[in-house]
Amino acid sequence: AQSVSQHNHHVILSEAASLELGCNYSYGGTVNLFWYVQYPGQHLQLLLKYFSGDPLVKGIKGFEAEFIKSKFSFNLRKPSVQWSDTAEYFCAVTRSPSGYALNFGKGTSLLVTP
Amino acid sequence: DTAVSQTPKYLVTQMGNDKSIKCEQNLGHDTMYWYKQDSKKFLKIMFSYNNKELIINETVPNRFSPKSPDKAHLNLHINSLELGDSAVYFCASSLMRREVQETQYFGPGTRLLVL
Repeated sequence: AQSVSQHNHHVILSEAASLELGCNYSYGGTVNLFWYVQYPGQHLQLLLKYFSGDPLVKGIKGFEAEFIKSKFSFNLRKPSVQWSDTAEYFCAVTRSPSGYALNFGKGTSLLVTP
Repeated sequence: DTAVSQTPKYLVTQMGNDKSIKCEQNLGHDTMYWYKQDSKKFLKIMFSYNNKELIINETVPNRFSPKSPDKAHLNLHINSLELGDSAVYFCASSLMRREVQETQYFGPGTRLLVL
């Protein structure tokens, strides 16, 4: 079945630690890839997206992600997390050119401790 | 100015009631979506409208009926509410351009609790 997998469901890090959240998808063909963040009690906000071009994508708040087509992966990274990064992180995929609904992974809950 | 707004923000109701959630976007987008986020935070597409036409209709009970009076609005009506309908419902909008994927912008969510 076509799906989006996020391997880490709960991650706890200390401030200043480095972060890498895994995301793999199983869709064939051309895909568009997204990372969204949901801060406690808030709505989803786009962190970054990949449509085409440079597979290393930089987003807001110091986040970046790398699209590795051969591995069907789009992992999210941040070199040094802050307490304010505590949130739910969702990887999502849509398929070009049709299929505009976001297919989400199950999310990763990140807790950053002071 | 809020780009994608939803009302109400919270909705507590009894089983069997009928309720509506409204969504409006002022981004000039032509495509709107409803997503459901369950208690485990999993997000799943329910419906999508493009220029007031239904283009995505996932496996959702027919108690759920979306209505799009114009491109800027997509409402969700739910009949005969059940306990399992308790969730957060997110509206989103985007532009749909052929061969180009545009970013979806999300509303603040409506937290529905069915008692």
